[in-house]
Amino acid sequence: GAVVSQHPSRVICKSGTSVKIECRSLDFQATTMFWYRQFPKQSLMLMATSNEGSKATYEQGVEKDKFLINHASLTLSTLTVTSAHPEDSSFYICSARGRGGGGSYNEQFFGPGTRLTVL
Amino acid sequence: EDQVTQSPEALRLQEGESSSLNCSYTVSGLRGLFWYRQDPGKGPEFLFTLYSAGEEKEKERLKATLTKKESFLHITAPKPEDSATYLCAVQALSGNTPLVFGKGTRLSVIA
Repeated sequence: GAVVSQHPSRVICKSGTSVKIECRSLDFQATTMFWYRQFPKQSLMLMATSNEGSKATYEQGVEKDKFLINHASLTLSTLTVTSAHPEDSSFYICSARGRGGGGSYNEQFFGPGTRLTVL
Repeated sequence: EDQVTQSPEALRLQEGESSSLNCSYTVSGLRGLFWYRQDPGKGPEFLFTLYSAGEEKEKERLKATLTKKESFLHITAPKPEDSATYLCAVQALSGNTPLVFGKGTRLSVIA
């Protein structure tokens, strides 16, 4: 149980285009979702936290107009990188916490990540 | 401010050579301490949650322990497939807060 999927796993786009990444909780209800980015050999950097049906809370230094987060349902959150530039190239990982199987999860479960390359 | 410090930054072991990874933390009331494993190019994989000092959990060759200031991840007789980055994180009691992660320990097990 507690599986999180992400799509796509890899995306290459041209500078100036927008890219949407989907994150789904497959077997539980994700009441809270988190988006991280990770640079090579570095730890996870939290970008934003979103609760279902609410606006996302962004970490300091993360541009909310550039990284649009939508958490419209208990199983789906999307991250849209708008007008992407080469410096946005990174590994983006979503994570979810919620409830399922009759209980609540304290744990955060992570998706497999999306490798974004902006040319 | 909640903080997590992991040591060593990198560890190289021979197959079968047991060792421990350290996670020191400061948090304003601990809801839980979490261990994850991350392979290159993949998302973190959940390993353990520890909630109170004295608690221990085991999974195959891994055992996690917790005190009021730190946690250890003991690896017994490691195999090359245990090579990965091990991440420690804490969650504070206050509200629905995100995890605070350490920078991880990169473990390499050599056959």
